[in-house]
Amino acid sequence: DQQVKQNSPSLSVQEGRISILNCDYTNSMFDYFLWYKKYPAEGPTFLISISSIKDKNEDGRFTVFLNKSAKHLSLHIVPSQPGDSAVYFCAASGRTSYGKLTFGQGTILTVHP
Amino acid sequence: NAGVTQTPKFQVLKTGQSMTLQCAQDMNHNSMYWYRQDPGMGLRLIYYSASEGTTDKGEVPNGYNVSRLNKREFSLRLESAAPSQTSVYFCASSESGLVYNEQFFGPGTRLTVL
Repeated sequence: DQQVKQNSPSLSVQEGRISILNCDYTNSMFDYFLWYKKYPAEGPTFLISISSIKDKNEDGRFTVFLNKSAKHLSLHIVPSQPGDSAVYFCAASGRTSYGKLTFGQGTILTVHP
Repeated sequence: NAGVTQTPKFQVLKTGQSMTLQCAQDMNHNSMYWYRQDPGMGLRLIYYSASEGTTDKGEVPNGYNVSRLNKREFSLRLESAAPSQTSVYFCASSESGLVYNEQFFGPGTRLTVL
């Protein structure tokens, strides 16, 4: 049972435009959400996170939105750059899960120059 | 400051062979984790260690054992490898197991079991 789902395996956007990556979750005990970015042959690196007490968190070009009622979060990248091309993983955790992250399947983002 | 290091980078095993994947971190982190990544499945937690001397099962622990050798090192052992264990294995560490502590990942070990 996939508790965190990224239904789009891939996304292609033009440089300078907005990239929107989506993530849905089913477990109502999740209250902390993260996005990780992964380049080929490297481990994932942390990008941005959001607590369930917020509905938006920004860090430079990256913004994460959380819709708790819909159990949905999204990552917006504006403007997109070719260096953003990578696999993006959504992850979730509960306050009592002690660091145990549940990951989505990942979305491959390609930003074309 | 190397962060999280993993050895080996690649390994091919025959069914039934055993091996140990090594992981070390130099960030003085208390918590360490082992994940596997399979196509279309994302990363799944195999085992984690909240602190030196403790280990606990994650989502997919069957077929694996772990040892938290000291604060720096956390190894993953496959006693009798099976083709279903073909995967990319990532080790990670964090300052503590609190959810807002970022997990830092190693570069991964690509394991093929024939």
